[in-house]
Amino acid sequence: DGGITQSPKYLFRKEGQNVTLSCEQNLNHDAMYWYRQDPGQGLRLIYYSQIVNDFQKGDIAEGYSVSREKKESFPLTVTSAQKNPTAFYLCASSIGPAGLNEQYFGPGTRLTVT
Amino acid sequence: AQRVTQPEKLLSVFKGAPVELKCNYSYSGSPELFWYVQYSRQRLQLLLRHISRESIKGFTADLNKGETSFHLKKPFAQEEDSAMYYCALSGGLTGGGNKLTFGTGTQLKVEL
Repeated sequence: DGGITQSPKYLFRKEGQNVTLSCEQNLNHDAMYWYRQDPGQGLRLIYYSQIVNDFQKGDIAEGYSVSREKKESFPLTVTSAQKNPTAFYLCASSIGPAGLNEQYFGPGTRLTVT
Repeated sequence: AQRVTQPEKLLSVFKGAPVELKCNYSYSGSPELFWYVQYSRQRLQLLLRHISRESIKGFTADLNKGETSFHLKKPFAQEEDSAMYYCALSGGLTGGGNKLTFGTGTQLKVEL
């Protein structure tokens, strides 16, 4: 493994606090993605970025924010506006557009908000 | 809008039996379809894509545009096939090609 890393593995926060999840890749991939995985709902796309300094909302972007200041990094901030933040978060990257290229996934971060 | 449906949450088969994991999609254009797999304690990874038309670990999947399906098949299930399988769709070059839409996944359990 390696290539794409997420930290921490487990994260606990109090309700009302913003929290930032880290995603780093050393694969020299242009595209990066954030998904949320909930039981019975599969993977849902939060945000994606095709290139540095550019990103687009996915299907469930409300309550989340991202930045892409460096090619290798795509941090996700879960804000207090996210109504149901407790979930398993997956980061992925691909060398080019998702539809044409394999996505490589990180190990995930499990966020618990109480 | 892109949509992927995997009707079975859990599929249990005996070792050596044929496997078919169902995937249906909704997309108005020409889609790109994928199967991703997550083995226990491993990362989610690509299993196969329809454009490659290849067999991986004995699995094949044929895109049926008439039935809007991309079912995953294997003639003889092995114990090591037990995993969570996700079908995914992209709009390809013509549209929506920058993101994947995943189904809800099917847990395959191969019993001895």
